[in-house]
Amino acid sequence: DSGVTQTPKHLITATGQRVTLRCSPRSGDLSVYWYQQSLDQGLQFLIQYYNGEERAKGNILERFSAQQFPDLHSELNLSSLELGDSALYFCASSVGPSGDQYFGPGTRLLVL
Amino acid sequence: DAKTTQPPSMDCAEGRAANLPCNHSTISGNEYVYWYRQIHSQGPQYIIHGLKNNETNEMASLIITEDRKSSTLILPHATLRDTAVYYCIVSAGGGADGLTFGKGTHLIIQP
Repeated sequence: DSGVTQTPKHLITATGQRVTLRCSPRSGDLSVYWYQQSLDQGLQFLIQYYNGEERAKGNILERFSAQQFPDLHSELNLSSLELGDSALYFCASSVGPSGDQYFGPGTRLLVL
Repeated sequence: DAKTTQPPSMDCAEGRAANLPCNHSTISGNEYVYWYRQIHSQGPQYIIHGLKNNETNEMASLIITEDRKSSTLILPHATLRDTAVYYCIVSAGGGADGLTFGKGTHLIIQP
């Protein structure tokens, strides 16, 4: 158990819909990272927040957005969902703006 | 971040040492070598990292060549639970701009 929690574990929705994934970092960690893992693309970095501020952006689509709240939990919002957005979404956390990352168990999203 | 090259798969007998190689010939002086593993769709797990010197922790040892162009992750006594995909990643900021995962090495521990 890494100490990072993610909800929900599974999510099934339809194309065009909007969903929110939630992540709680390890106690004391200020950074939250989001990653997407699909069968054809592998594990891809989406975005990082550090102490409430966006710090780095990866291959995140414009239909996706994220935020980190004052209590340091983070939410990833996915809108106008497409079949290709079906994937595992992982959240990771680290103490500082960089360093060892500890991953949560992931949210499996299925878009039908 | 520098790119890495790993064999796509490896086998190892249970109880033996598993040695996983990684080439990173374009690594820069300020880049660390990180190893993570992923067990069947679980979240990736941090294993170890190093800059120049060899490193050891309770999970594994990391051997980095003197020219830093390659490294080897050693699991000293592999168990069936070590079957996973192992990722070698080089990063200047320890993933400050997100970790770049390649395809990794699928290590299969045979009973």
